[in-house]
Amino acid sequence: DGGITQSPKYLFRKEGQNVTLSCEQNLNHDAMYWYRQDPGQGLRLIYYSQIVNDFQKGDIAEGYSVSREKKESFPLTVTSAQKNPTAFYLCASSITQTSGGGELFFGEGSRLTVL
Amino acid sequence: AQSVTQLDSQVPVFEEAPVELRCNYSSSVSVYLFWYVQYPNQGLQLLLKYLSGSTLVKGINGFEAEFNKSQTSFHLRKPSVHISDTAEYFCAVSSMDTGRRALTFGSGTRLQVQP
Repeated sequence: DGGITQSPKYLFRKEGQNVTLSCEQNLNHDAMYWYRQDPGQGLRLIYYSQIVNDFQKGDIAEGYSVSREKKESFPLTVTSAQKNPTAFYLCASSITQTSGGGELFFGEGSRLTVL
Repeated sequence: AQSVTQLDSQVPVFEEAPVELRCNYSSSVSVYLFWYVQYPNQGLQLLLKYLSGSTLVKGINGFEAEFNKSQTSFHLRKPSVHISDTAEYFCAVSSMDTGRRALTFGSGTRLQVQP
C-alpha cells in the first residue's frame, strides 16, 4: 500500500544530542513537509520541499535542518540548537504544492522526548 | 499572510447529539479550506475540503462543512455523533496566490463524545 512512513515512532534524546527523524513516501508525490505539533498550538511548519535538492524554511525552522536528495525521502534533523525539541513531529506530502489546493497526506508521526 | 482560528479548544457532547466545530480564517486572497481529524498518537486524516463550487461540502464519517465567504468561516457539522468521533479536529487553509505554499493549521478542537 502507498503511504508515508515515519521512523522511529518514539525517540528519546539527551540534551545536546542531534537526532534525525526519517520520512519516506511511496506515493510519487513531489512536495514534502515537516510540521511540529505541541498541545494547544496546532501544527506549525518547520520546512518544506517542492522538488529534489530544494527546500524552504517554514515558520519555525531555527534549530532544525533537512535534506532532499531523493524524491521519496525527506529526513529532519533536530539539532542541539533547538531549545525545546520535545514534541510530536509529523511528515506530510502532497502531489504537488498546488494540486488539490495543497491537500496533505500525513505519516503516523514521531514523538521526540528530551531527557 | 493567512491564519486560522478555531474558536473552541474543547467541545463536550453527548452521543447522538448534533455538533458544530467552528473555524474562521483570515487571508488577503482567495483560499482553499480543509478539515482534518487526528486520533491519539496518530497522523492526520482528511475529512473534507473546499476547493470551489458548492459551498456545502460533504466528507467522510457523516461530516459536512459550509464555506461562508462573507463571514470567512468554514464550520464543521455532524447531525448525530458517535463515541468513535472522539478525536482532535483541525481546520486548515491554503491560499490561491503564489506565496505561502503550505497549509496553515488552526490550534485544534478536541471533540469529547460522552455516552
